[in-house]
Amino acid sequence: AQSVTQPDIHITVSEGASLELRCNYSYGATPYLFWYVQSPGQGLQLLLKYFSGDTLVQGIKGFEAEFKRSQSSFNLRKPSVHWSDAAEYFCAVGAGNDMRFGAGTRLTVKP
Amino acid sequence: GAVVSQHPSWVICKSGTSVKIECRSLDFQATTMFWYRQFPKQSLMLMATSNEGSKATYEQGVEKDKFLINHASLTLSTLTVTSAHPEDSSFYICSARDWEGWNEQFFGPGTRLTVL
Repeated sequence: AQSVTQPDIHITVSEGASLELRCNYSYGATPYLFWYVQSPGQGLQLLLKYFSGDTLVQGIKGFEAEFKRSQSSFNLRKPSVHWSDAAEYFCAVGAGNDMRFGAGTRLTVKP
Repeated sequence: GAVVSQHPSWVICKSGTSVKIECRSLDFQATTMFWYRQFPKQSLMLMATSNEGSKATYEQGVEKDKFLINHASLTLSTLTVTSAHPEDSSFYICSARDWEGWNEQFFGPGTRLTVL
């Protein structure tokens, strides 16, 4: 069965520090992978997506993610976190009508 | 491009009343629309999938008579919460998919429903 796991419920990093949010998936076919960010009371904003090709994907706001098929992972990274990055981050897997979301990782940024 | 809007952005209603939420694709034709529910500090849970002109497909555990979905045109889907109760209070998010972008769903900004 298709599933998405975000192992970290909550992460705290200092402003300016690097960030990595983990995402592991289980999917029957070649997955399409997404990272979304959600600020409190807001909808989802797409950060980046992977369909095929280069496994290192660049997104908005300085984020990038790397697809590793052998590890079934699609981790999100940012070299230097800004206070405005504090939000909830969701990894999603699927295609078309079938999209599964992870439980989310809440990012807190310390000044 | 690929903008999805929702109306209203928030609504407060009394227990027992019905509430309608609209989801519109503004610049593309949405062959399929999806409705999600999100409880505080939780992930999105798919409620139903609707294709234009046909009946919605509900996920297991979602009451189709309580959550009425209509997808009458390629740009509009509505979710009606009938006889709402406090436990229906939640954040409802819709998404839409067009034919060209069949690998991706475009999300609306969400509707906060509070039932008193």
